[in-house]
Amino acid sequence: GAGVSQTPSNKVTEKGKYVELRCDPISGHTALYWYRQSLGQGPEFLIYFQGTGAADDSGLPNDRFFAVRPEGSVSTLKIQRTERGDSAVYLCASSWTSGDKETQYFGPGTRLLVL
Amino acid sequence: AQTVTQSQPEMSVQEAETVTLSCTYDTSESDYYLFWYKQPPSRQMILVIRQEAYKQQNATENRFSVNFQKAAKSFSLKISDSQLGDAAMYFCAYRPDSNYQLIWGAGTKLIIKP
Repeated sequence: GAGVSQTPSNKVTEKGKYVELRCDPISGHTALYWYRQSLGQGPEFLIYFQGTGAADDSGLPNDRFFAVRPEGSVSTLKIQRTERGDSAVYLCASSWTSGDKETQYFGPGTRLLVL
Repeated sequence: AQTVTQSQPEMSVQEAETVTLSCTYDTSESDYYLFWYKQPPSRQMILVIRQEAYKQQNATENRFSVNFQKAAKSFSLKISDSQLGDAAMYFCAYRPDSNYQLIWGAGTKLIIKP
C-alpha cells in the first residue's frame, strides 16, 4: 500500500480481555515501531523491530504487552488481561534504517478503549 | 534524561499570518535529529519538517521553516501564510543518533482563525 495501515481503527473491549492490534508497514521498510499515545499527551515508544526481531522492547510497560513481526512485514501488538489504563491510541510507524531515509512514517492509529 | 518540552499548549493565528511554535529539548548527545509532526483529528502523524543536528542551516519546507539553536537546545517551527488546513496538534520530537526511539513533546494545538 501507499502508507502505513492499522486495523482495527477502533477497538472497545472489557477489562481482562485479550486484544490484538495489527500494523501493515510501507512496502520495503525494514524497521517498524509501536508507540502509545494517551489522551492529551505525546506518543511514548513501546517497541522497535528491525526485520523480524525486536531490536528494542524497552518501552513495553509490562509483560502483558507483546509484539511480533514473524515475516518482517506485518506486525501485531498483543495485550493480555487488558486494564482500563491501557486505553490509548496505539500508533505504528515504519522506516528505512539507514542514512537519510530513516524518517518514521506513521499510520492512523488504533484507538483502544478498555471498559 | 532526554526530554522534549513544548511550553505552549495552544496557539491561535489569523489566516494568512505567521505563527511560531516553541520547542526545547534536553540531551547530552552531540548527534541527533529533530522533527516536527502534525496530527490532525484523523490521528495520523504527518511529518512536517526534519533537522539534523550536525547541519547549521535551518531546514525549510515551503511555508514551514525552523529556527534551530543547538547551543540553546531550541527548535521552533515557523508557519508562514497560515491556512485553515494547518489547524492541528503539532508535536516536536527528538531522536538521538544512538537509537531509533522518538522522544516527544506534549504538543501544541494550533487554531487558525478565518
